[in-house]
Amino acid sequence: DAGVIQSPRHEVTEMGQEVTLRCKPISGHNSLFWYRQTMMRGLELLIYFNNNVPIDDSGMPEDRFSAKMPNASFSTLKIQPSEPRDSAVYFCASSLIGGRSYGYTFGSGTRLTVV
Amino acid sequence: GESVGLHLPTLSVQEGDNSIINCAYSNSASDYFIWYKQESGKGPQFIIDIRSNMDKRQGQRVTVLLNKTVKHLSLQIAATQPGDSAVYFCAENGSQAGTALIFGKGTTLSVSS
Repeated sequence: DAGVIQSPRHEVTEMGQEVTLRCKPISGHNSLFWYRQTMMRGLELLIYFNNNVPIDDSGMPEDRFSAKMPNASFSTLKIQPSEPRDSAVYFCASSLIGGRSYGYTFGSGTRLTVV
Repeated sequence: GESVGLHLPTLSVQEGDNSIINCAYSNSASDYFIWYKQESGKGPQFIIDIRSNMDKRQGQRVTVLLNKTVKHLSLQIAATQPGDSAVYFCAENGSQAGTALIFGKGTTLSVSS
């Protein structure tokens, strides 16, 4: 298995532009998570999906952020318009939740820089 | 509310020493805990997990100890190697299956040879 695949690995964009981050979870996993990592705040949960349905989006900073999971093998996180304070590393993780052990597998992350 | 934290932000050890990384949690209902390792430029990687019905679990060179009385979790790394240098996170989940993990801030382990 190739693991969780995120793209792009790096993104530099100008303030006000739209940014779309992409994630392909591990085949067979039924849950997908988007986290944001900064030095100041550590790993913050933004949103997660179970069986493609958003369960908890309380971590999404504001209306500028949106996430979709149109099918079991693909998810996007969109920021529109982007701001410099959105600069961070964004991680996608997937898991098989059904039993009681559900460690996540993380992707390599997308480093976003908004200038 | 729920929170997961680490006692020390950094830990420096000599190669070959044993390392102990600590974590405190506040939600007594949490019944599943995981340790992750994050190397520079990479995503967090699963190391070992433990359920609340256990107080110790061993893996290859790593041991996780859980003390539910004081809500404390620790990760022990035996014979620490330079390749163990990374940031280590503990994470917890409540007793409700399907909820997302909550991560602590992380401890940076530096191993010198």
